[in-house]
Amino acid sequence: NAGVMQNPRHLVRRRGQEARLRCSPMKGHSHVYWYRQLPEEGLKFMVYLQKENIIDESGMPKERFSAEFPKEGPSILRIQQVVRGDSAAYFCASSPLAGGPRNEQFFGPGTRLTVL
Amino acid sequence: GENVEQHPSTLSVQEGDSAVIKCTYSDSASNYFPWYKQELGKRPQLIIDIRSNVGEKKDQRIAVTLNKTAKHFSLHITETQPEDSAVYFCAASIIQGAQKLVFGQGTRLTINP
Repeated sequence: NAGVMQNPRHLVRRRGQEARLRCSPMKGHSHVYWYRQLPEEGLKFMVYLQKENIIDESGMPKERFSAEFPKEGPSILRIQQVVRGDSAAYFCASSPLAGGPRNEQFFGPGTRLTVL
Repeated sequence: GENVEQHPSTLSVQEGDSAVIKCTYSDSASNYFPWYKQELGKRPQLIIDIRSNVGEKKDQRIAVTLNKTAKHFSLHITETQPEDSAVYFCAASIIQGAQKLVFGQGTRLTINP
């Protein structure tokens, strides 16, 4: 059973460009979370999605950031018109169906975004 | 919303000694408390977790305790080894509805040989 997959692992963008980060959850997992980690800091929640639905986007900036988890294919975190402050590691996590005994979330390897 | 505070931010112990990391949370509705270990440049990995209906849980050299009344929980690592060196994060969540994790700021643990 493959773990959570993220690509690309490293992404370099110039200011004003768009960044697209992809996440494929573990097999059988229908919940996807995106977290951002600034250098030397903890992980901050951004958005929680189920297939075709955004459940909680309270941690995501209102402008330039969007996320989706289509019926087919990976979840995508999209950052438009990137700025230097967007440079961070973006981690995706997945968990199985809700209502289980735990809310165990498995993390992907992350995408390290560098904005020049 | 939930707020998790973690202390200390750095911790250095001699190999073989014990290490304790403490976290407090603010939302009494939180009922799931995982601990993650993150090595440099790697993904966070779950090492142990506890639900609010349990006061203590142990897995070999690692244990977690939870005090619901005081709203704090702690990670205990005994007989520390060099490979325990990493950044450790505590988190709090509400199980129902598979909700987001709110993380503490992290503790950089260094094991000195």
